[in-house]
Order: sequence, then C-alpha cells, then structure tokens
Amino acid sequence: DIQMTQSPSSLSASVGDRVTITCRASQVIRNDLGWYQQKPGKAPKRLIYAASSLQSGVPSRFSGSASGTEFTLTISSLQPEDFATYYCLQHSSYPWTFGQGTKVEIK
Amino acid sequence: EVQLVESGGGLIQPGGSLRLSCAASGFTLSSYWMHWVRQDPGKGLVWVSRIDTDESSTNYADSVKGRFTISRDNAKNTLYLQMNSLRAEDSAVYYCVRGYIGLDVWGQGTTVTVSS
Repeated sequence: DIQMTQSPSSLSASVGDRVTITCRASQVIRNDLGWYQQKPGKAPKRLIYAASSLQSGVPSRFSGSASGTEFTLTISSLQPEDFATYYCLQHSSYPWTFGQGTKVEIK
Repeated sequence: EVQLVESGGGLIQPGGSLRLSCAASGFTLSSYWMHWVRQDPGKGLVWVSRIDTDESSTNYADSVKGRFTISRDNAKNTLYLQMNSLRAEDSAVYYCVRGYIGLDVWGQGTTVTVSS
C-alpha cells in the first residue's frame, strides 16, 4: 500500500498568514493527488485535483504543487472560514490512501 | 444540483448486517465510478471500496474484504454497500463519493454504530 505522510498534524495561524501543508508519498504517484477540506460535522470538500488544479468554485488563495513524491497545499492568506482539517488523497493505486490530516486552528 | 444522499445507517450488534444506500441526483450515475469512504469518530478518512460503471470491477480495503460488498443499480440511480459480519471497528460515518479524477462529490454521510 502507498503511505501518505502528511505534516504537520496541526498548526496555529492567524488570519492573513500564509499556510503550507505537505504530503509525502511512499511511492511515485504521478500527479494522482487531491486535497480536501473538512469542517466539523460536515463532509469533506475537494479543493485541488491532479496535484495542482483548482476545483471550480474554490478561492484562488488555495493552490497545490508537486515535486517528485512531495505535494504541497498552500493557503496564501488564511481567512476565518479556512479554519478546518485538511487531507491529501492519493488515487494512483488501490487501496487509495489519505494523509492523516492537518488541523488548522486559530492562533 | 449534483447530490448524493446516504441512508441505512444505525445501531447494529457485532456480527450483524446492514445495507447502506446512496441516492444520486443531478447527474447520470451510470457514467461514474463510485466509492465508499468512512471516518471513525474523531479520526481520519479511510477509503473503503470502489465500483466501476457497470459492476464489472470492484476494489476493497483489506479491512473489509470478504465482509462488505459494493453494488449499484444504475436504473435506480443508487449505490449500495452491503456490510456483513460487522465489528466494533466498523463503527464510522460512511460517505458515498463520486469518482472523477479522484473523489469529487461527497454525500453528507450516514453513521454506523456497531455495539452490543
């Protein structure tokens, strides 16, 4: 199985901060990676697909990038509605696997 | 509006069976692979199973293989997850998810609690 190591597991940040979350895959997964945001009691919502493509309707402050087996989600200027938990997902091979999640909290 | 609505969750004793349903609307179910993903209370997301458009191919997580069966009825726009020999560790919120370049549209989830 492909392991997705996500870091950090949590972070505290202020409104306006630039935030970076990383996922490292244990094997090559090409660009078969998505990023998801989940708020308490709600279903996850996709932000980024194919490692760097912005999902329709998602604000442009969210961006994704890839370098080899390392993938990054960046929030350029954190907004109050961005406080949530973020997950990466690899869909290169079964079983598909998620990162452990990053909880973004208010500083 | 594209929508997925799960149902069928509830409280079930260990060893019991449950069938989850997922009603799709706003898109043609038969055109998409479909998935089930679960989330333990307060924990992360776990991919459970996937089915292709005409039920010719399925995949399962090792933790549910041999106990869970994914199926679909495209005429009824409905996805199913038959869960047998349920264990306490199967307790989770189960999400029905449309497959498109990964997982794109998610249902709101249905809660399964396995307990005596």
